[in-house]
Amino acid sequence: GENVEQHPSTLSVQEGDSAVIKCTYSDSASNYFPWYKQELGKRPQLIIDIRSNVGEKKDQRIAVTLNKTAKHFSLHITETQPEDSAVYFCAASRPGTALIFGKGTTLSVSS
Amino acid sequence: GAVVSQHPSWVICKSGTSVKIECRSLDFQATTMFWYRQFPKQSLMLMATSNEGSKATYEQGVEKDKFLINHASLTLSTLTVTSAHPEDSSFYICSAPGLAGGRSDTQYFGPGTRLTVL
Repeated sequence: GENVEQHPSTLSVQEGDSAVIKCTYSDSASNYFPWYKQELGKRPQLIIDIRSNVGEKKDQRIAVTLNKTAKHFSLHITETQPEDSAVYFCAASRPGTALIFGKGTTLSVSS
Repeated sequence: GAVVSQHPSWVICKSGTSVKIECRSLDFQATTMFWYRQFPKQSLMLMATSNEGSKATYEQGVEKDKFLINHASLTLSTLTVTSAHPEDSSFYICSAPGLAGGRSDTQYFGPGTRLTVL
């Protein structure tokens, strides 16, 4: 089955800096790669996703890149703000199947 | 659109009792729903896939006789934790794939249920 590895587990940056979180996946049939932000005690919130027919996607300060050959994808957050502090999860799935999540990255943005 | 609700949002029960958690798709039909469990400071772990009108598919290591799943309609799946014990205390979250721009891979998550077993 699918296995998703996520790094780093914790990330501390200064406000205004960029943050990068990386994930690798094992199942070459996976074609959907979302990123979620989760605050304590709440449901995961989708912040951006990418599908296997696209190499990069951007939404304001957030971007995701996908390298299908290497089976890895990354989340890039630019101009970080204190409110970006949260736990971020990457995930992967095949068509019609459940998401398999990475172990998460705790991002801390200090002002 | 694409709202998923869960009930209850939190529950405290005594060891040995059973607890039922409901997951509803409010404005769309879901022939498939997924149940996840999340322990403190850990990731979401898939427990089972709930299929409307048929048996659920459980992940390796998840006891199907302990975590009973029923998906009796296109908008409701229930997870019953039978004979709950303190180690079952966790955050249980359901999700359903919905159509977003015609794609069915986007998952819509319920708000989660915090279960505490004393």
